[in-house]
Amino acid sequence: QQQVKQSPQSLIVQKGGISIINCAYENTAFDYFPWYQQFPGKGPALLIAIRPDVSEKKEGRFTISFNKSAKQFSLHIMDSQPGDSATYFCAARKPGNNRKLIWGLGTSLAVNP
Amino acid sequence: SQTIHQWPATLVQPVGSPLSLECTVEGTSNPNLYWYRQAAGRGLQLLFYSVGIGQISSEVPQNLSASRPQDRQFILSSKKLLLSDSGFYLCAWSDGNTEAFFGQGTRLTVV
Repeated sequence: QQQVKQSPQSLIVQKGGISIINCAYENTAFDYFPWYQQFPGKGPALLIAIRPDVSEKKEGRFTISFNKSAKQFSLHIMDSQPGDSATYFCAARKPGNNRKLIWGLGTSLAVNP
Repeated sequence: SQTIHQWPATLVQPVGSPLSLECTVEGTSNPNLYWYRQAAGRGLQLLFYSVGIGQISSEVPQNLSASRPQDRQFILSSKKLLLSDSGFYLCAWSDGNTEAFFGQGTRLTVV
């Protein structure tokens, strides 16, 4: 059972365009929603994160939109650049002692020059 | 500042051989520690997590085991590797309140 569903699986965008990746979750108890960026051969690195009491968070060209009632959140990359080409993962954190992250399956983004 | 070290970066092992991957964290105490596996072009699969010394929780039944002999040391092991154990292994830590920080990963190829 996939508790965090991420789409699309892959995405091709032209330089300067907007990249949009969507995630939907099941568990209303999730209390933290990060996005990670992973380049080939490297570990994922935190890109931006949001808590459920906020509807939007922006950091530079990256924006998270959060819809609590729909149980959905999305990553928007404005003015996409070839250097943004990477795999992006959404995640949701379960409250509790271990603070496990539940991961989406990832989106492979290619930004064409 | 906190850092996480994971080694080796790449490893080629024959089927049936043992495995030991090590991860250490510096600059923090009592971290939550995690082992993930990532198959080629796939998502992250949580294998083990630990909230303290000697405390290991397994997420999926498999040919691997984990140990935490010290507060900031996490070891992934196998007695006999299978072909299906090939993948990209990632160690991560968190303080329980912030995001997970990942190591650079170990690319394991079982031949």
